[in-house]
Amino acid sequence: QSALTQPASVSGSPGQSITISCTGTSSDVGGYNYVSWYQQHPGKAPKLMIYDVSNRPSGVSNRFSGSKSGNTASLTISGLQTEDEADYYCISYTSSRTVVFGGGTKLTVL
Amino acid sequence: QVQLVESGGGVVRPGTSLTLSCAASGFTFSSYGMHWVRQAPGKGLEWVALIWSDGSNQYYADSVKGRFTLSRDNSKNTLYLQMNSLGAEDTALYYCARGPGSRYLDFWGQGTLVTVSS
Repeated sequence: QSALTQPASVSGSPGQSITISCTGTSSDVGGYNYVSWYQQHPGKAPKLMIYDVSNRPSGVSNRFSGSKSGNTASLTISGLQTEDEADYYCISYTSSRTVVFGGGTKLTVL
Repeated sequence: QVQLVESGGGVVRPGTSLTLSCAASGFTFSSYGMHWVRQAPGKGLEWVALIWSDGSNQYYADSVKGRFTLSRDNSKNTLYLQMNSLGAEDTALYYCARGPGSRYLDFWGQGTLVTVSS
């Protein structure tokens, strides 16, 4: 149950686009189209932003998009806004029928 | 609307036990898998356990396997996490979350804090 690998931090200016990667193995990210992404503001519960690699729940801005290639999934945020500053986590379903988290990425909007 | 309310957290001594509860409302509880996720102070999220909608299967992180037991009462719309042999490494905010198809977590509670300290 090794954690998925995410960059510790990324940054961008308002209006720009950023991408956060999430790297796993063929037993998790690469083996299933079941990667999801979560946004967590300080002191708040996580919020689902993307599920099943690229699907957005109702109410989530279309500035958030997801994709996957091989063992790496990605979350892209376009048109960065100050309220996007938060921690972001990926999750993947695994061959053990469990889920595994990424270590989290702190997004700073400069 | 979907609501998940955790309770049962507190300060406990190392080696003792504690049971967390998660009361669900606003959806058909018996139709969804449910997860527990924890977050140690200043750290990232860690998946803890999953139980299927009918309670027939449970899965655990290696870090809690053999010490934690997950159960549910679908007649009471409540999820339980029995935690035994607690250690300092179990200190965290514990969230329950709804898991459609058990592969993602679409609604989360606000968490209950467990502190293990002598």
